[in-house]
Amino acid sequence: EIVLTQSPGTLSLSPGERATLSCRASQSVNAQYYAWYQQKPGQAPRLLIYGASTRAPGIPERFSGSGFGTDYTLTISRLEPEDSAVYYCQQYGSSSWTFGQGTKVEIK
Amino acid sequence: EVQLVQSGAEVRKPGESLRISCEGSGYSFTNYWIAWVRQMPGKGLEWVGIINPADSETRYSPSFQGQVTISVDKSLSTAYLQWRSLKASDTAIYYCATRPNFYYYLDVWGKGTTVIVSS
Repeated sequence: EIVLTQSPGTLSLSPGERATLSCRASQSVNAQYYAWYQQKPGQAPRLLIYGASTRAPGIPERFSGSGFGTDYTLTISRLEPEDSAVYYCQQYGSSSWTFGQGTKVEIK
Repeated sequence: EVQLVQSGAEVRKPGESLRISCEGSGYSFTNYWIAWVRQMPGKGLEWVGIINPADSETRYSPSFQGQVTISVDKSLSTAYLQWRSLKASDTAIYYCATRPNFYYYLDVWGKGTTVIVSS
């Protein structure tokens, strides 16, 4: 099973700052099978990015994804107060899906 | 509008059985796989398994294989997650979500079903 490790565990930034979230896989992953989700307290997760870099419908342009192989990144270019949430990466490989443990983004 | 409507919260005792449901609407039910995802209290997301409503092909996470059963009733556009004998460690929120054919992400999510197992 492929293990995804996200860093940092918590990111505390001010509105307007840039957030960079990392997700490292224990072995190489096909970028087409890589996604990012946002989860706010008391809500279901929401798809942000799929195929490592394609924004899902309705997702603001400030969210972008990149990466290949074992290292993937979610960038929020200018943080808004409503971006306060936990962000999860996810991959599919070897007939199994796995999620990272999550990065909490706090807005100061 | 594509929607997944999940059944309500459940409270059970250890050893009891349970089946929770996820009804799809606003789309052709057999065109999208349905996945189940667990979130234990205060924890992250874990993939439980996935089913293709078109032919009931099912795959399970190794961590959940033999512990739960995923099934579907096409006539009701509904997927199910079932336990024969619940444990306290099954206490969690369970989400269902759709996976478009030929893609490997979950795009529409239900609101979740809270399952509490306590004596």
